[in-house]
Amino acid sequence: ETGVTQTPRHLVMGMTNKKSLKCEQHLGHNAMYWYKQSAKKPLELMFVYSLEERVENNSVPSRFSPECPNSSHLFLHLHTLQPEDSALYLCASSRGVGWTGRIYGYTFGSGTRLTVV
Amino acid sequence: DAKTTQPPSMDCAEGRAANLPCNHSTISGNEYVYWYRQIHSQGPQYIIHGLKNNETNEMASLIITEDRKSSTLILPHATLRDTAVYYCIVREGSSNQGGKLIFGQGTELSVKP
Repeated sequence: ETGVTQTPRHLVMGMTNKKSLKCEQHLGHNAMYWYKQSAKKPLELMFVYSLEERVENNSVPSRFSPECPNSSHLFLHLHTLQPEDSALYLCASSRGVGWTGRIYGYTFGSGTRLTVV
Repeated sequence: DAKTTQPPSMDCAEGRAANLPCNHSTISGNEYVYWYRQIHSQGPQYIIHGLKNNETNEMASLIITEDRKSSTLILPHATLRDTAVYYCIVREGSSNQGGKLIFGQGTELSVKP
């Protein structure tokens, strides 16, 4: 366990479904992130939250909607996804967006493997 | 875009040192070099980071050249469990907006018996 927990681990959804991915961190971190990892591609940064405020949205389609109700929880709400959205979705946290201290940088969860059918 | 260049793959014999190179010729003075690894289907794991001095921890050593344009991650005694994709990342650490981790393709290290 890394201290960042993602649920569910696996999700299969139809293109008309609505689902949510959940991320929870117990590390006292102030920043949280969503990354997408498609097959054979590098991790792509999707959203950045600092102190519960969204500070970055990297041109992500509106069918992905993040929510950060407090510094420990981060959600990714999904609706009307496409098959090409199938990927591993990773959540990470850090002590701050600009944090460079020796306390281990970013901590990642194990990810949610999403399949859109 | 990633600011680093790494070989796409490397092999290493079990028990030997694994030396993973990284070029970051455009690195600026306030950018750190970070290394992460990702074992298949798991989230990336922090290994080590440095600014200009060599660093060592329980997992690895990081050697940064004097001009900071390249670095080498050293796993002193590689095991089969070190098989993973290793990412070298340069990251600004001085501002709230500049500290994001941007991943490149990484090096796929295969440790063989």
